Amino acid sequence: SQTIHQWPATLVQPVGSPLSLECTVEGTSNPNLYWYRQAAGRGLQLLFYSVGIGQISSEVPQNLSASRPQDRQFILSSKKLLLSDSGFYLCAWSVMRFNYGYTFGSGTRLTVV
Amino acid sequence: QKEVEQNSGPLSVPEGAIASLNCTYSDRVSQSFFWYRQYSGKSPELIMSIYSNGDKEDGRFTAQLNKASQYVSLLIRDSQPSDSATYLCAVTYGGSQGNLIFGKGTKLSVKP
Repeated sequence: SQTIHQWPATLVQPVGSPLSLECTVEGTSNPNLYWYRQAAGRGLQLLFYSVGIGQISSEVPQNLSASRPQDRQFILSSKKLLLSDSGFYLCAWSVMRFNYGYTFGSGTRLTVV
Repeated sequence: QKEVEQNSGPLSVPEGAIASLNCTYSDRVSQSFFWYRQYSGKSPELIMSIYSNGDKEDGRFTAQLNKASQYVSLLIRDSQPSDSATYLCAVTYGGSQGNLIFGKGTKLSVKP
Protein backbone atom coordinates (compact mmCIF):
# COMPACT_ATOMS: atom_id res chain seq x y z
CA SER A 1 0.00 0.00 0.00
CA GLN A 2 1.01 3.57 -0.55
CA THR A 3 2.17 5.76 2.30
CA ILE A 4 3.30 9.35 2.48
CA HIS A 5 5.75 10.62 5.04
CA GLN A 6 6.21 14.24 5.97
CA TRP A 7 8.53 15.78 8.57
CA PRO A 8 9.04 17.46 10.89
CA ALA A 9 5.60 17.57 12.53
CA THR A 10 6.17 20.95 14.17
CA LEU A 11 8.75 23.64 13.62
CA VAL A 12 9.41 27.02 15.23
CA GLN A 13 11.77 29.20 13.24
CA PRO A 14 12.92 32.82 13.59
CA VAL A 15 12.21 35.37 10.89
CA GLY A 16 14.94 35.34 8.26
CA SER A 17 16.00 31.76 8.87
CA PRO A 18 15.99 29.10 6.13
CA LEU A 19 13.43 26.32 5.78
CA SER A 20 13.47 22.81 4.44
CA LEU A 21 10.47 20.49 4.64
CA GLU A 22 10.65 17.03 3.16
CA CYS A 23 8.02 14.65 1.87
CA THR A 24 8.45 11.12 0.56
CA VAL A 25 5.98 8.67 -0.90
CA GLU A 26 6.28 4.88 -0.77
CA GLY A 27 4.51 2.16 -2.67
CA THR A 28 3.91 3.96 -5.94
CA SER A 29 5.83 5.25 -8.96
CA ASN A 30 5.54 8.50 -10.90
CA PRO A 31 3.13 10.18 -8.51
CA ASN A 32 1.93 13.73 -8.86
CA LEU A 33 3.17 15.62 -5.81
CA TYR A 34 1.78 18.76 -4.19
CA TRP A 35 2.59 21.28 -1.48
CA TYR A 36 -0.34 23.07 0.16
CA ARG A 37 -0.44 25.63 2.93
CA GLN A 38 -3.34 26.15 5.31
CA ALA A 39 -3.15 29.39 7.26
CA ALA A 40 -5.26 29.94 10.37
CA GLY A 41 -8.87 30.55 9.40
CA ARG A 42 -8.14 30.13 5.70
CA GLY A 43 -8.52 27.40 3.15
CA LEU A 44 -5.96 25.14 1.56
CA GLN A 45 -3.74 27.07 -0.81
CA LEU A 46 -1.85 25.16 -3.51
CA LEU A 47 1.78 26.30 -3.52
CA PHE A 48 3.57 23.91 -5.89
CA TYR A 49 2.93 20.76 -7.83
CA SER A 50 5.15 18.38 -9.71
CA VAL A 51 4.40 15.76 -12.37
CA GLY A 52 7.94 14.39 -12.54
CA ILE A 53 11.56 14.68 -11.43
CA GLY A 54 12.77 18.25 -11.78
CA GLN A 55 9.37 19.47 -12.98
CA ILE A 56 7.92 22.09 -10.66
CA SER A 57 4.94 24.39 -11.23
CA SER A 58 4.31 27.31 -8.93
CA GLU A 59 0.80 28.49 -8.24
CA VAL A 60 1.56 31.47 -6.01
CA PRO A 61 4.61 33.75 -6.29
CA GLN A 62 6.32 34.01 -2.91
CA ASN A 63 9.61 33.45 -1.13
CA LEU A 64 9.18 29.67 -1.15
CA SER A 65 10.57 27.20 -3.63
CA ALA A 66 10.16 23.49 -4.26
CA SER A 67 12.32 20.76 -5.70
CA ARG A 68 11.85 17.14 -6.73
CA PRO A 69 15.28 15.50 -6.77
CA GLN A 70 13.89 11.95 -6.89
CA ASP A 71 10.67 10.40 -8.18
CA ARG A 72 9.08 10.08 -4.74
CA GLN A 73 10.71 12.98 -2.90
CA PHE A 74 9.39 16.51 -2.74
CA ILE A 75 11.08 19.33 -0.83
CA LEU A 76 9.78 22.75 0.15
CA SER A 77 12.39 25.41 0.90
CA SER A 78 12.89 29.01 1.76
CA LYS A 79 16.05 31.05 2.08
CA LYS A 80 14.54 33.61 4.47
CA LEU A 81 11.28 33.02 6.31
CA LEU A 82 8.71 35.74 6.82
CA LEU A 83 6.13 35.98 9.60
CA SER A 84 3.46 35.42 6.95
CA ASP A 85 4.96 32.01 6.15
CA SER A 86 3.48 30.59 9.35
CA GLY A 87 0.89 27.91 8.74
CA PHE A 88 0.15 24.23 8.33
CA TYR A 89 2.10 22.79 5.40
CA LEU A 90 0.73 19.71 3.74
CA CYS A 91 2.29 17.44 1.18
CA ALA A 92 0.00 15.32 -0.97
CA TRP A 93 0.23 12.81 -3.80
CA SER A 94 -2.06 11.49 -6.48
CA VAL A 95 -1.84 9.03 -9.34
CA MET A 96 -0.96 10.41 -12.73
CA ARG A 97 -3.32 10.61 -15.70
CA PHE A 98 -6.54 10.85 -13.68
CA ASN A 99 -7.42 12.59 -10.49
CA TYR A 100 -8.83 10.13 -7.99
CA GLY A 101 -8.23 12.59 -5.20
CA TYR A 102 -5.17 13.46 -3.21
CA THR A 103 -3.73 11.68 -0.20
CA PHE A 104 -2.20 14.01 2.32
CA GLY A 105 0.74 13.58 4.63
CA SER A 106 0.38 14.34 8.33
CA GLY A 107 1.53 17.94 7.86
CA THR A 108 4.08 20.31 9.37
CA ARG A 109 2.93 23.12 11.60
CA LEU A 110 5.36 26.00 11.06
CA THR A 111 5.47 28.99 13.36
CA VAL A 112 7.73 31.85 12.36
CA VAL A 113 8.64 34.05 15.33
CA GLN B 1 -11.41 32.96 -11.09
CA LYS B 2 -11.43 29.43 -9.73
CA GLU B 3 -13.78 29.29 -6.76
CA VAL B 4 -15.23 26.66 -4.49
CA GLU B 5 -17.69 28.07 -2.00
CA GLN B 6 -18.85 26.54 1.26
CA ASN B 7 -20.76 27.86 4.23
CA SER B 8 -18.14 28.16 6.97
CA GLY B 9 -20.61 27.20 9.70
CA PRO B 10 -20.45 26.10 12.36
CA LEU B 11 -23.24 23.69 11.55
CA SER B 12 -24.61 22.15 14.70
CA VAL B 13 -26.79 19.03 14.63
CA PRO B 14 -27.95 16.67 17.40
CA GLU B 15 -26.62 13.14 17.54
CA GLY B 16 -28.58 10.84 15.26
CA ALA B 17 -29.72 13.61 12.92
CA ILE B 18 -28.84 14.14 9.26
CA ALA B 19 -26.11 16.68 8.58
CA SER B 20 -26.25 18.39 5.18
CA LEU B 21 -23.15 20.10 3.82
CA ASN B 22 -23.21 22.11 0.61
CA CYS B 23 -20.69 23.34 -1.92
CA THR B 24 -20.84 25.35 -5.15
CA TYR B 25 -18.13 25.73 -7.76
CA SER B 26 -17.50 28.13 -10.60
CA ASP B 27 -15.88 26.05 -13.37
CA ARG B 28 -18.44 24.34 -15.60
CA VAL B 29 -15.90 21.87 -16.99
CA SER B 30 -14.96 20.39 -13.60
CA GLN B 31 -15.17 16.60 -13.72
CA SER B 32 -14.11 15.27 -10.33
CA PHE B 33 -15.51 16.19 -6.94
CA PHE B 34 -14.34 15.20 -3.49
CA TRP B 35 -15.22 15.56 0.17
CA TYR B 36 -12.49 15.59 2.80
CA ARG B 37 -12.83 15.45 6.55
CA GLN B 38 -10.32 17.34 8.68
CA TYR B 39 -10.15 16.95 12.42
CA SER B 40 -8.67 19.84 14.37
CA GLY B 41 -4.89 19.88 14.04
CA LYS B 42 -4.86 16.98 11.59
CA SER B 43 -4.48 16.66 7.83
CA PRO B 44 -7.48 16.22 5.51
CA GLU B 45 -8.75 12.71 4.87
CA LEU B 46 -10.59 11.76 1.69
CA ILE B 47 -14.04 10.35 2.53
CA MET B 48 -16.05 10.58 -0.71
CA SER B 49 -15.52 11.09 -4.41
CA ILE B 50 -18.15 11.59 -7.10
CA TYR B 51 -17.74 12.00 -10.84
CA SER B 52 -21.24 11.88 -12.40
CA ASN B 53 -24.60 13.47 -11.69
CA GLY B 54 -26.73 11.86 -9.04
CA ASP B 55 -26.15 10.27 -5.67
CA LYS B 56 -23.32 8.08 -4.40
CA GLU B 57 -23.70 6.30 -1.10
CA ASP B 58 -20.99 4.87 1.16
CA GLY B 59 -22.16 3.78 4.58
CA ARG B 60 -23.63 6.77 6.41
CA PHE B 61 -22.31 9.18 3.78
CA THR B 62 -24.08 10.23 0.57
CA ALA B 63 -22.53 12.58 -1.95
CA GLN B 64 -24.84 14.35 -4.41
CA LEU B 65 -23.76 16.07 -7.62
CA ASN B 66 -25.67 18.39 -9.91
CA LYS B 67 -23.38 19.65 -12.68
CA ALA B 68 -26.07 21.83 -14.27
CA SER B 69 -26.40 23.77 -11.03
CA GLN B 70 -22.68 23.46 -10.24
CA TYR B 71 -23.57 22.08 -6.86
CA VAL B 72 -22.28 19.21 -4.77
CA SER B 73 -23.42 18.15 -1.32
CA LEU B 74 -22.62 15.66 1.41
CA LEU B 75 -25.22 14.09 3.65
CA ILE B 76 -24.22 12.36 6.86
CA ARG B 77 -26.96 10.15 8.28
CA ASP B 78 -27.17 9.15 11.94
CA SER B 79 -24.57 11.78 12.83
CA GLN B 80 -22.19 10.87 15.64
CA PRO B 81 -20.07 13.10 17.88
CA SER B 82 -17.04 11.55 16.14
CA ASP B 83 -18.24 13.21 12.90
CA SER B 84 -17.48 16.60 14.43
CA ALA B 85 -14.83 18.05 12.12
CA THR B 86 -14.35 20.47 9.26
CA TYR B 87 -15.51 19.14 5.91
CA LEU B 88 -13.70 20.37 2.81
CA CYS B 89 -15.16 20.29 -0.67
CA ALA B 90 -12.63 19.91 -3.49
CA VAL B 91 -13.11 20.26 -7.24
CA THR B 92 -10.80 19.65 -10.17
CA TYR B 93 -10.13 22.43 -12.61
CA GLY B 94 -8.74 22.04 -16.09
CA GLY B 95 -10.15 18.65 -17.00
CA SER B 96 -9.74 15.15 -15.59
CA GLN B 97 -6.08 15.70 -14.74
CA GLY B 98 -6.60 19.11 -13.28
CA ASN B 99 -5.45 20.16 -9.87
CA LEU B 100 -7.79 20.25 -6.91
CA ILE B 101 -9.16 23.52 -5.65
CA PHE B 102 -10.48 23.39 -2.09
CA GLY B 103 -13.25 25.29 -0.39
CA LYS B 104 -12.54 26.79 3.01
CA GLY B 105 -14.59 24.11 4.70
CA THR B 106 -17.69 23.80 6.85
CA LYS B 107 -17.22 23.11 10.54
CA LEU B 108 -19.68 20.48 11.77
CA SER B 109 -20.49 19.97 15.43
CA VAL B 110 -22.57 16.96 16.47
CA LYS B 111 -24.03 17.39 19.95
CA PRO B 112 -24.58 14.27 22.10
